Amino acid sequence: DVQMTQSPSYLAASPGESVSISCKASKSINTYLAWYQEKPGKTNKLLIYSGSTLQSGTPSRFSGSGSGTDFTLTIRSLEPEDFAVYYCQQHNEYPLTFGSGTKLEIK
Amino acid sequence: QIQLVQSGPELKKPGESVKISCKASGYTFTDYAMHWVKQAPGKGLKWMGWINTYTGKPTYADDFKGRFVFSLEASASTANLQISNLKNEDTATYFCARERQLYLGYFDYWGQGVMVTVSS
Repeated sequence: DVQMTQSPSYLAASPGESVSISCKASKSINTYLAWYQEKPGKTNKLLIYSGSTLQSGTPSRFSGSGSGTDFTLTIRSLEPEDFAVYYCQQHNEYPLTFGSGTKLEIK
Repeated sequence: QIQLVQSGPELKKPGESVKISCKASGYTFTDYAMHWVKQAPGKGLKWMGWINTYTGKPTYADDFKGRFVFSLEASASTANLQISNLKNEDTATYFCARERQLYLGYFDYWGQGVMVTVSS
């Protein structure tokens, strides 16, 4: 199985700042990585797929990059609604596997 | 609008069974595969497998073979997850998630999750 290592597990930032979350795969997954946002009281939201393609409705301040084993989710100019938990997920092969999550909190 | 609405929380004893439903609306149910994902308390997400909503064929991840059954009520646009012989470690929130397109492997809509608690 492809192990997904996400870091950091916790991140504190202020509105207006930019942050990056890392996701590393235990073997190459080409560019087949998705990012999701989890917020209390809301269903999980697909942000990015295939490494860098924004899902319809995802604000442009979100961007994804990387290929092979190393990927990054960057959020520029944080908005209050961005404080949430973020998960990466490889969609290159079965079984599909997720990172352990990054909790982004307001500093 | 597209929605996946799951059934309510469950409290069960070890050895019992539970059936969770996921009702889809806003799209043609049989055009998109449905996946199931487990989230144990304080833990991350774990993929359980998926069901082809057109053929009804289920596929299970290795850790979910045996006691777990994916099924459909296609006429009701509903996917079900049944877990038998419940164990304490089955305590978790279970999500259904729609695959954006067959074999793409990522999910564009999720249910709200069902909390299943197994306790004697």
